Amino acid sequence: QVQLVESGGGVVQPGRSLRLSCAASGFIFSGCEMHWVRQAPGKGLAWVAVISFDGSVKNYADSVRGRFTISRDNSKNTVYLQMNSLTGEDTAVYYCARDEGSGWYGVSWGQGTLVTVSS
Amino acid sequence: EIVMTQSPATLSVSPGERATLSCRASQSVSSNLAWYQQKPGQAPRLLIYAASTRATGIPARFSGSGSGTEFTLTISSLQSEDFAVYYCQQYNNWSIFGPGTKVDIK
Repeated sequence: QVQLVESGGGVVQPGRSLRLSCAASGFIFSGCEMHWVRQAPGKGLAWVAVISFDGSVKNYADSVRGRFTISRDNSKNTVYLQMNSLTGEDTAVYYCARDEGSGWYGVSWGQGTLVTVSS
Repeated sequence: EIVMTQSPATLSVSPGERATLSCRASQSVSSNLAWYQQKPGQAPRLLIYAASTRATGIPARFSGSGSGTEFTLTISSLQSEDFAVYYCQQYNNWSIFGPGTKVDIK
């Protein structure tokens, strides 16, 4: 069955960096666009970034553009989110999700990894 | 930027009753709208995409309708497992989620 497993979350100081990973299985990873979506504590969902199936096209929310980088390694069935210059507003559970090519909606989601930015 | 609104913020419903949730976009998103269910401590679950198509494995009591700027999610007869927060998302122009509607037990 489809599985998405995020890792790499934790507590990080403001201004520092963190890299999240999402390991995928149970589907043809190289055929899917992959997304990162976050949810601040007690708040709603916010889309962060998307990467095309081959990694050639990347798009970001305004709030993270220039600080975050999405990438993927199709040989490892893994998508990454490099997060730099973190602030308290980046504190959230980060989910990875996949779409099926007919629109940017999440067909499958991981369970999320918590990132806490605090001194 | 498209702004998504959802109403009501909280909906109190008795088991077995019908629930109607609304989602509005500040400009047309065509039929590029999805609905998700989220329970505490869990990831979102896709219910509806393309405004009215049920995702795989979603019970028939969930239905979506609308196009353009006005959308509705209807749960025909609420079951105990349906009490959750529901989000709409437009994906016509980037991806924007609504603030959510919490469906709780009356």
